[in-house]
Amino acid sequence: NAGVTQTPKFQVLKTGQSMTLQCAQDMNHNSMYWYRQDPGMGLRLIYYSASEGTTDKGEVPNGYNVSRLNKREFSLRLESAAPSQTSVYFCASSEQSWIVEAFFGQGTRLTVV
Amino acid sequence: QKEVEQNSGPLSVPEGAIASLNCTYSDRGSQSFFWYRQYSGKSPELIMFIYSNGDKEDGRFTAQLNKASQYVSLLIRDSQPSDSATYLCAGMDTGRRALTFGSGTRLQVQP
Repeated sequence: NAGVTQTPKFQVLKTGQSMTLQCAQDMNHNSMYWYRQDPGMGLRLIYYSASEGTTDKGEVPNGYNVSRLNKREFSLRLESAAPSQTSVYFCASSEQSWIVEAFFGQGTRLTVV
Repeated sequence: QKEVEQNSGPLSVPEGAIASLNCTYSDRGSQSFFWYRQYSGKSPELIMFIYSNGDKEDGRFTAQLNKASQYVSLLIRDSQPSDSATYLCAGMDTGRRALTFGSGTRLQVQP
């Protein structure tokens, strides 16, 4: 029972390159989320998926796309990376309920040069 | 813009003391609040949540919620050096059904 698994753990991209961050959960949770964390900024919601087949924008969606591939997997894509996207990215999941108890993956540290 | 505000700290307390961490929120519709602990370089882990006015205790931790004042707090009794971490307060965004986080308070427990 691994919980929420993210790949890769570290990545360096050049400006303009694209990449996909992968996230999978084995807790049979309905909802999944992508956050980014920057120093002094806390966690900010990029996109979320309340259930399989649905995705919605969060607070900072520009420059990102997501795919809810199935109930387990939720990927985040950077089409043309920019230095402003240098951050730590966290995927999280929760069993959809009126209390969103979110469990986080171990994070992906992304540097765009 | 729905916000959750925290003092960034650091909050320094001696070992064995009570650490008091505070948080205010702007969304009056928020019904539930969460405290996460994050060690440096690690992912956030849930400590506890609260959705009713008053206190909720779990071991050395007590969460307090005052909806009229839009105020949430976390008390850590008998603080240990292993409690040294950043504590994130989060409220549920009722529109998105996702968590809105504060920027976190760094706690340092001095041996």
